[in-house]
Order: sequence, then C-alpha cells, then structure tokens
Amino acid sequence: DARVTQTPRHKVTEMGQEVTMRCQPILGHNTVFWYRQTMMQGLELLAYFRNRAPLDDSGMPKDRFSAEMPDATLATLKIQPSEPRDSAVYFCASGEQPGPLHFGNGTRLTVT
Amino acid sequence: AQSVTQLGSHVSVSEGALVLLRCNYSSSVPPYLFWYVQYPNQGLQLLLKYTSAATLVKGINGFEAEFKKSETSFHLTKPSAHMSDAAEYFCAVTASGGYQKVTFGIGTKLQVIP
Repeated sequence: DARVTQTPRHKVTEMGQEVTMRCQPILGHNTVFWYRQTMMQGLELLAYFRNRAPLDDSGMPKDRFSAEMPDATLATLKIQPSEPRDSAVYFCASGEQPGPLHFGNGTRLTVT
Repeated sequence: AQSVTQLGSHVSVSEGALVLLRCNYSSSVPPYLFWYVQYPNQGLQLLLKYTSAATLVKGINGFEAEFKKSETSFHLTKPSAHMSDAAEYFCAVTASGGYQKVTFGIGTKLQVIP
C-alpha cells in the first residue's frame, strides 16, 4: 500500500530555531497539500502544490513559513524563526485531483 | 468560494445506536464531497466520497452518506455504532473540475458509549 511519509513524527524545539518538516507524497499524485491542525482552529490549509508548482499559500504566515517541492518525491515546510504559537500537528497530504487526499501521520511540533 | 459546516463538535451515541453526523456545504460550483476519519495520533483516512454519480454513497466500515443538493447537505450515517467507531470525523469539500483547494470542516468527535 502506497503511503504518504512525513518526518520527523515529533519535533521539540526552542523559540527562534528553524524547523524543517519533510513529506514524501505518493508517487504519481499531482497535488500536495500542507495542513496545520490545532484544537482551536481545526485543520487549516497552509499551502498546496499542483505538479510541484505552488498554487496557493495564502494560509501561511509569509514572514516565517515557506513551502517548497524541490522534486516530485519531496515536499518541505520550513518555519524560521519558530514561535510557541506554531505548536501544532502539521499534515502533508497528496492526491490526484479532484479525488480524495491521502494523509501522512503528521509531524507534532512543540515550540518552547 | 467553498465552505463546510459540521453541526456538533461532539456527538455521543450508545453502542448499537444510529450514528448521524451532520455536514452542510457551500460551493459556488458543483462540489465533490468527502468524509474522513481520524484516529488518535494518525492522519485522516477516507471514509467515502461523492463525485457527482449516485447521491447515496457507501463507504468503509458500514458508513454511508447522502448528497442532497436542495438542502446542501452531506450527512454521514451508520445504522449501528460500534466501539471502534469512536474517532473524529471530518467533512470536506472541493470544487469539481480542475485543481482546487480542499476545505475541511471543524470535525466531530464521536463517542460510543458501551
């Protein structure tokens, strides 16, 4: 069974540090999404890509977040500098639009 | 623009009772609709999807949902709840045709009481 793989599963860092989260989408999927999940806000769309090109990153705080797809097998989400309010679970999902999304198991980020 | 409203952030049912989780959507174009389930410490998994074919959609684990255009609803049901159904359920919408963002509801946590 093909799966979306996210690393790391857990990350604890201090405020001000850079955080990089990685995602390996399912081979052949043409869209990749980054979501952030918190108790208060639920699932928030941060950015999404079609065929590796960014389509919409309006959900991201531009001054500190960046998302890229350097190749078809890797998507990255970076936070620099990180802040305590960035603590959340970050999910990557891939799919063949407009079909369903396949989610990874997430990266649980804690910023102290 | 599209949006999803899930009524009831927490729902409790007795084991064996009917499960009904409500979802209403808003979309300016014909929608595709999905229900996902999330178990603790995991990502979301697809339960079922509506993509403009049959309005009654059957999914995994005995769940089904009916697309009602007149009511802009896509409620999720299961005739008899099982303890293993305890999880969080998310309704999602995307626009048919092309590459569109997928918008999720806030989620409904289902508790099954033995």
